[in-house]
Amino acid sequence: GESVGLHLPTLSVQEGDNSIINCAYSNSASDYFIWYKQESGKGPQFIIDIRSNMDKRQGQRVTVLLNKTVKHLSLQIAATQPGDSAVYFCAENTGGFKTIFGAGTRLFVKA
Amino acid sequence: DAGITQSPRYKITETGRQVTLMCHQTWSHSYMFWYRQDLGHGLRLIYYSAAADITDKGEVPDGYVVSRSKTENFPLTLESATRSQTSVYFCASSETGANSPLHFGNGTRLTVT
Repeated sequence: GESVGLHLPTLSVQEGDNSIINCAYSNSASDYFIWYKQESGKGPQFIIDIRSNMDKRQGQRVTVLLNKTVKHLSLQIAATQPGDSAVYFCAENTGGFKTIFGAGTRLFVKA
Repeated sequence: DAGITQSPRYKITETGRQVTLMCHQTWSHSYMFWYRQDLGHGLRLIYYSAAADITDKGEVPDGYVVSRSKTENFPLTLESATRSQTSVYFCASSETGANSPLHFGNGTRLTVT
């Protein structure tokens, strides 16, 4: 499948553990943030989003935390499974049509 | 099934040839986008469209042409392919353009020889 990047930050976790993927965003005017998951050979897939008027949002097994003071976003995955192995991208949007993507983090889940 | 489909999945072409990548969505989303994904550059926006017959340039539009005669289709044409256009191309759509997530197709891997 397509390789997103050979030198991506990598996180390796044991199956069943919790994963935390971090992201620093660039624009203090960004007001909408999204996490995407990209598996090999596929397009990015929407996981969860959060607006700037919130600091936490939960989904199924995933939680996104937003710290606007330090321009930091994190994705927490509970009880990580082998199927969670992928590249994860954070993205920011300032309300226009342009979405700015981060470089991505590769998550390896060890069985 | 509803979704966004891209064709072809893989394409090899020669320098100087014209090639068109197809994108079709069944959600009736107003907004559609073309991105390219390259090692070391991540995802970069080529062109986007807010509605049928409305298109605009993104970050890296040079060498590409788009059209949007129907809401559901958003083809991307490389008028005279160059080796620097070797990449994986992703089409995406979104409901509102701003403050809504992008829904991506599975990409077209283009190699220009």
